Amino acid sequence: DAKTTQPPSMDCAEGRAANLPCNHSTISGNEYVYWYRQIHSQGPQYIIHGLKNNETNEMASLIITEDRKSSTLILPHATLRDTAVYYCIVNSGGSNYKLTFGKGTLLTVNP
Amino acid sequence: NAGVTQTPKFQVLKTGQSMTLQCAQDMNHEYMSWYRQDPGMGLRLIHYSVGAGITDQGEVPNGYNVSRSTTEDFPLRLLSAAPSQTSVYFCASSYSGRNTGELFFGEGSRLTVL
Repeated sequence: DAKTTQPPSMDCAEGRAANLPCNHSTISGNEYVYWYRQIHSQGPQYIIHGLKNNETNEMASLIITEDRKSSTLILPHATLRDTAVYYCIVNSGGSNYKLTFGKGTLLTVNP
Repeated sequence: NAGVTQTPKFQVLKTGQSMTLQCAQDMNHEYMSWYRQDPGMGLRLIHYSVGAGITDQGEVPNGYNVSRSTTEDFPLRLLSAAPSQTSVYFCASSYSGRNTGELFFGEGSRLTVL
């Protein structure tokens, strides 16, 4: 699986969009980009995933660059409850149950 | 549905003691896995299973045993606990092993080995 690079921490004002970047320059053609988050040592929670097209669900949007070497997770209207560690994971097509979690980005949403 | 249930939530052991962390899911998921998380670190895969009767090692399997006799249950056994096994343990399950869905995690079991 390709290695990912995320900033260790970010701040965001409540009600504003939170844009979390992730670099994965060694990603290969069959590798998906996954985002999970972990709120205060709870179990990680799935957010979204994609291969090459941009994706949107009720929680967030995932923007993947055309060369697939980086992506951005967008939380459109961040709330205090979105304060968490966000993990960007690149995973090969064969197994979504063997994910490799790095240290992620601690997003702090401020009032 | 209860989802993924882990027990116990907290446990303190002495070095050399044995114990089993229980994990059960009621979603009829074929794929299950165990992760550990040390302070300030991401999660590391210990063992995983792709179905009843089938298990395999992950990144950090030493000191841990698993079995999968039923689809629902995936217990993690520590045969002789060591202080290095102090960690938070997460169990996860997935319906499909392919990249069509998500991993569902339990709330974690916090283990301290003295």
